[in-house]
Amino acid sequence: KAGVTQTPRYLIKTRGQQVTLSCSPISGHRSVSWYQQTPGQGLQFLFEYFSETQRNKGNFPGRFSGRQFSNSRSEMNVSTLELGDSALYLCASSPDGATGGYTFGSGTRLTVV
Amino acid sequence: GDSVTQMEGPVTLSEEAFLTINCTYTATGYPSLFWYVQYPGEGLQLLLKATKADDKGSNKGFEATYRKETTSFHLEKGSVQVSDSAVYFCALNNFRGSARQLTFGSGTQLTVLP
Repeated sequence: KAGVTQTPRYLIKTRGQQVTLSCSPISGHRSVSWYQQTPGQGLQFLFEYFSETQRNKGNFPGRFSGRQFSNSRSEMNVSTLELGDSALYLCASSPDGATGGYTFGSGTRLTVV
Repeated sequence: GDSVTQMEGPVTLSEEAFLTINCTYTATGYPSLFWYVQYPGEGLQLLLKATKADDKGSNKGFEATYRKETTSFHLEKGSVQVSDSAVYFCALNNFRGSARQLTFGSGTQLTVLP
């Protein structure tokens, strides 16, 4: 059974650019969540999608957005990148988000220069 | 809001030593509790979980018991190995309506020396 796949693994972008990250959940999982991990702030929740609908959103500016497709694959987009957006972005999938049985991907390491 | 407080690291132990990493939480209702582990350069792996009070989660020699009276979920292992060196995160998942999200502790870096 394939795990959660995130692409790309590494990205380097320039301040002011935008970026799109992709996440393919485990087959059959309908809930996809995104987290940002930084040394200073730790792991912070970005948003969660279930059946193409955003169910929950963390405390991040509107520059951070996401979507989920009918096949449950998800993308997150960050516009007008800032240096502080440099982080490891983790995607997690779950059958339905209940009981919290989340499986995480290996993450996308974004560096903003 | 919900929060998780973890024992400050880093923790350094010799191989075969006993491990305890403390975790306490603040949450309304009846959250599910988790321990995740992160190896260098990788994402998070679920180590164990407990979904109700007095449940004990266990995996690979690690154990944690959901204590509602002390709002704690301490991680223990009787004999650590070098391969257990990693960062350990305590987390909770509290359900509010249909919303789901994990709230994490700050993580505890564990280094096991041979």
